[in-house]
Amino acid sequence: GESVGLHLPTLSVQEGDNSIINCAYSNSASDYFIWYKQESGKGPQFIIDIRSNMDKRQGQRVTVLLNKTVKHLSLQIAATQPGDSAVYFCAAAWGSSYKLIFGSGTRLLVRP
Amino acid sequence: DVKVTQSSRYLVKRTGEKVFLECVQDMDHENMFWYRQDPGLGLRLIYFSYDVKMKEKGDIPEGYSVSREKKERFSLILESASTNQTSMYLCASSLRSLTDTQYFGPGTRLTVL
Repeated sequence: GESVGLHLPTLSVQEGDNSIINCAYSNSASDYFIWYKQESGKGPQFIIDIRSNMDKRQGQRVTVLLNKTVKHLSLQIAATQPGDSAVYFCAAAWGSSYKLIFGSGTRLLVRP
Repeated sequence: DVKVTQSSRYLVKRTGEKVFLECVQDMDHENMFWYRQDPGLGLRLIYFSYDVKMKEKGDIPEGYSVSREKKERFSLILESASTNQTSMYLCASSLRSLTDTQYFGPGTRLTVL
């Protein structure tokens, strides 16, 4: 079946460095991708999304890159701050399907 | 800003009890979703609703039912709670198309003893 996986369960970075969180998906028909941030004790918070007709999309301090050839997307966080510490999920959907397939999450730890 | 609220942050119930989890959104969203989140398993869809009184099963509907009598409110019901339903329950809503961005509530951590 379809799956979405993150490459690392935990990522530790120094405050001020850039963070890169990677995600792979299995369904080549996936055409919508979304990144969520979940802080401890809270629900997932929308960060940024991208559709398959784009390779890159930028937000405030975040960039999502999509490589459809290898079915891979990444979330880049510039100048990582302590407030960025959280679990990050990617999710994928396709066509008119309602269903978001979620990855298991990468925990980002920011060292002072 | 989209606001999705859930009736309880923490809930402790006993095996066999009937449990109601309530979710309310204030942005006139058509679609609402219930997920459970468990360590190592990620988010799994229980049920979703695309209109008042309309519902569809997700991936793990067994042991659950839902109710959507008003557009802004979506309830998850555990008819007879069991210990394997101990989990974090997350409600989400999206605007119109089922592929519109889903916005989540804060979650309800349910413990069934």
